[in-house]
Amino acid sequence: DTAVSQTPKYLVTQMGNDKSIKCEQNLGHDTMYWYKQDSKKFLKIMFSYNNKELIINETVPNRFSPKSPDKAHLNLHINSLELGDSAVYFCASSQDLYRRPRPLGYTFGSGTRLTVV
Amino acid sequence: AQSVTQLDSHVSVSEGTPVLLRCNYSSSYSPSLFWYVQHPNKGLQLLLKYTSAATLVKGINGFEAEFKKSETSFHLTKPSAHMSDAAEYFCVVSDGQGAQKLVFGQGTRLTINP
Repeated sequence: DTAVSQTPKYLVTQMGNDKSIKCEQNLGHDTMYWYKQDSKKFLKIMFSYNNKELIINETVPNRFSPKSPDKAHLNLHINSLELGDSAVYFCASSQDLYRRPRPLGYTFGSGTRLTVV
Repeated sequence: AQSVTQLDSHVSVSEGTPVLLRCNYSSSYSPSLFWYVQHPNKGLQLLLKYTSAATLVKGINGFEAEFKKSETSFHLTKPSAHMSDAAEYFCVVSDGQGAQKLVFGQGTRLTINP
């Protein structure tokens, strides 16, 4: 009964490969996010989707493409992987951000540790 | 734009002594503030959140934080540290506008000495 689940938990791949990370939430939330945590533990938002619509797209290379087939899923596809893509990627979800009063707080997944060699 | 500064990258305390993790924020709007904890090789867990109600916020595991607008601070405290508190702690701000983006501080690593 995991709230936000990501797969795989660990991913080791060679430079130049294409890989996907999947995320699913069973909380009935409308908004989902991808965050990247670098080697210094710094966390930064990459993307956000609300009801399958992209609402945040930070300065992320075009090689990263999120896909939301429905509001319970937000997958991250990465093309032509580079060494600098090595990081921990966290998926998260939150309630409908257009509700009033505005609900707050995310639920995070346990992370996917991506290592590019 | 919002930003968060965690004033200490590493804090070390003895078990049973008080914990203080410092955080200052900057926000153009009335901010919402959070503390998250990350244990080694684990995900992020919400400790507590401030949402413009009471300025003293109580969280899980005996942690609390006080919102001080005049000092733009949101320091995290615990009266008595436990070995299980050893982890990375993140102070986080959201302006609650637009797409509800969270902006994280750099993190403070808390070490507990026996």
